[in-house]
Amino acid sequence: LAKTTQPISMDSYEGQEVNITCSHNNIATNDYITWYQQFPSQGPRFIIQGYKTKVTNEVASLFIPADRKSSTLSLPRVSLSDTAVYYCLVVLPGGYNKLIFGAGTRLAVHP
Amino acid sequence: EAGVTQFPSHSVIEKGQTVTLRCDPISGHDNLYWYRRVMGKEIKFLLHFVKESKQDESGMPNNRFLAERTGGTYSTLKVQPAELEDSGVYFCASSLGGQLYSPLHFGNGTRLTVT
Repeated sequence: LAKTTQPISMDSYEGQEVNITCSHNNIATNDYITWYQQFPSQGPRFIIQGYKTKVTNEVASLFIPADRKSSTLSLPRVSLSDTAVYYCLVVLPGGYNKLIFGAGTRLAVHP
Repeated sequence: EAGVTQFPSHSVIEKGQTVTLRCDPISGHDNLYWYRRVMGKEIKFLLHFVKESKQDESGMPNNRFLAERTGGTYSTLKVQPAELEDSGVYFCASSLGGQLYSPLHFGNGTRLTVT
């Protein structure tokens, strides 16, 4: 599975839009991009996944350019409760989802 | 629906002792995974069950770790004897089987401290 690279940390303020970009230069044709969120003392929680173009759900949007070598997680109007670590992962669909976690991006939202 | 539950939430044991961690996956989830994060490191895969069978145990660090999933329901992870470097947070996750992509649902982990 392709290795992912994302910023170690980001800071934002309440009400702002936050965009976290992840690079996955060696992504394979059948791979999907998935993002997880982790709060302190909790396990990671699935946020969103996509293959190409744009995916949106009630929590976030995921933008994937045509070459799929990067992706951007967009969190609209963040609040203090969005302070967490965000992981970008590449997965191969199917019954087997062995996730390879990197360090993630530590997002701090300030008042 | 109830999420993935792990027990205990915390465990403090002495080096050389035995500890057993338990994970109850979401009902109906065939896939069960164990991961762990040791201090300052990234979350690492340990192993994967499909129902009661071990699909992949390539991440198990050594033979002091034994995972079981009898009957394809809950799973246990036993560490015997525990060493100092086994300290960390052990996460269990489960997912549905047979789908194109099935997100993993994680428990809140068991924090293991070996002294």
